[in-house]
Amino acid sequence: GAVVSQHPSWVICKSGTSVKIECRSLDFQATTMFWYRQFPKQSLMLMATSNEGSKATYEQGVEKDKFLINHASLTLSTLTVTSAHPEDSSFYICSARAGDSLMGETQYFGPGTRLLVL
Amino acid sequence: GQNIDQPTEMTATEGAIVQINCTYQTSGFNGLFWYQQHAGEAPTFLSYNVLDGLEEKGRFSSFLSRSKGYSYLLLKELQMKDSASYLCAVMDSNYQLIWGAGTKLIIKP
Repeated sequence: GAVVSQHPSWVICKSGTSVKIECRSLDFQATTMFWYRQFPKQSLMLMATSNEGSKATYEQGVEKDKFLINHASLTLSTLTVTSAHPEDSSFYICSARAGDSLMGETQYFGPGTRLLVL
Repeated sequence: GQNIDQPTEMTATEGAIVQINCTYQTSGFNGLFWYQQHAGEAPTFLSYNVLDGLEEKGRFSSFLSRSKGYSYLLLKELQMKDSASYLCAVMDSNYQLIWGAGTKLIIKP
């Protein structure tokens, strides 16, 4: 149990284009999903927290108009990087938390999406 | 402020035992997590401690002392595949995860 998928795993795009990344909890319902970014040899950085059906909460310094998050259902959240630039190239990882009595507060991570903006 | 401290890097020998320490100061406490992250991959969940004491899962054990703000991850019978970063994270009173910077563990033959 507790499988989280992400799609795509790799994406290369031109500067100025938008990229959508999907995060799905496959075998549980996620009341909360998280989006992280990780640059090479650096720590995980939380970008935003999203609860199903409500607006995402963004961490300080993360532009909400640039990184659009939609948590449309209990099993799907999407992150759209709008007008991507080379400095947005990174490893984007989502995690999902059920927050129920069975699975508790553990965050389970997707495999990540590598974004390269040319 | 909230703070998680763990060593930046550790080296150990295949077959040996290694203990990775984590100390924390957070606003409230709702549990401590250990994750493993291989280079280029996403973190995978290892353990969760919310009560004091030792939790054992095969070759891996995790210990917590809430009064001391201290945890450790113990890895026994080390294998080359255990070479990875080990992340300590504490859930605060708002159920937010506060992450340590991770400990890079290097296993030598």
